[in-house]
Amino acid sequence: EVQLVESGGGLVQPGGSLRLSCAASGFTFSNSWMHWVRQAPGKGLVWVSHINSDGSTTTYADSVKGRFTISRDNTKNTLYLQMNTLRVEDTAMYYCARDEAYSPSYWGQGTLVTVSS
Amino acid sequence: QSALTQPRSVSGSPGQSVTISCTGTSSDVGGYNHVSWYQQYPGKAPKLMIYAVSQRPSGVPDRFSGSKSGNTASLTISGLQAEDEADYYCCSYAGSYIWVFGGGTKLTVL
Repeated sequence: EVQLVESGGGLVQPGGSLRLSCAASGFTFSNSWMHWVRQAPGKGLVWVSHINSDGSTTTYADSVKGRFTISRDNTKNTLYLQMNTLRVEDTAMYYCARDEAYSPSYWGQGTLVTVSS
Repeated sequence: QSALTQPRSVSGSPGQSVTISCTGTSSDVGGYNHVSWYQQYPGKAPKLMIYAVSQRPSGVPDRFSGSKSGNTASLTISGLQAEDEADYYCCSYAGSYIWVFGGGTKLTVL
């Protein structure tokens, strides 16, 4: 059974940093592209970042480029999102998702990030 | 990276069919056959319902179908059921390993 479990969310002040993790199981993580997608409270889904299977290719939404870094450790079956210089508008539920056929397919349950003073 | 355009809400009675549109540009929806649709209940993670414009993952009822014409993709739900009441989002590959979502559509079953 495919499982994605996000962790690392919490309350952080504006300008602060946070690192999210996504533990994967039930599929060959090292062969899978992965995504981070976020959803602000009461708002829609927004694609944040993508990483290919060996981590050599990473892409970002304009809104987070230069502040967020996606990475992965295929020996630990874990995806990461390092978030720096956080803003109030980064407040959201952050989901990791496995890519299949150029689509985020299976999603974790999310981890909530709140940026507030 | 502009969001795809979806109607904010649609509604239908049980047994009827409803169609949700998703309009983009030739750089995303119109340029690739990588459009997907997601169902999301309040407080829950999204669930993939359609990928590659019209393909259904195993376990998704065949009442759900997808199509595309030009820069607009569509999700049709036939034989509407009460359990279909949820938010629906489209997503398209936009090239260069960038993806874009629609703003979401709230489906109400009357």
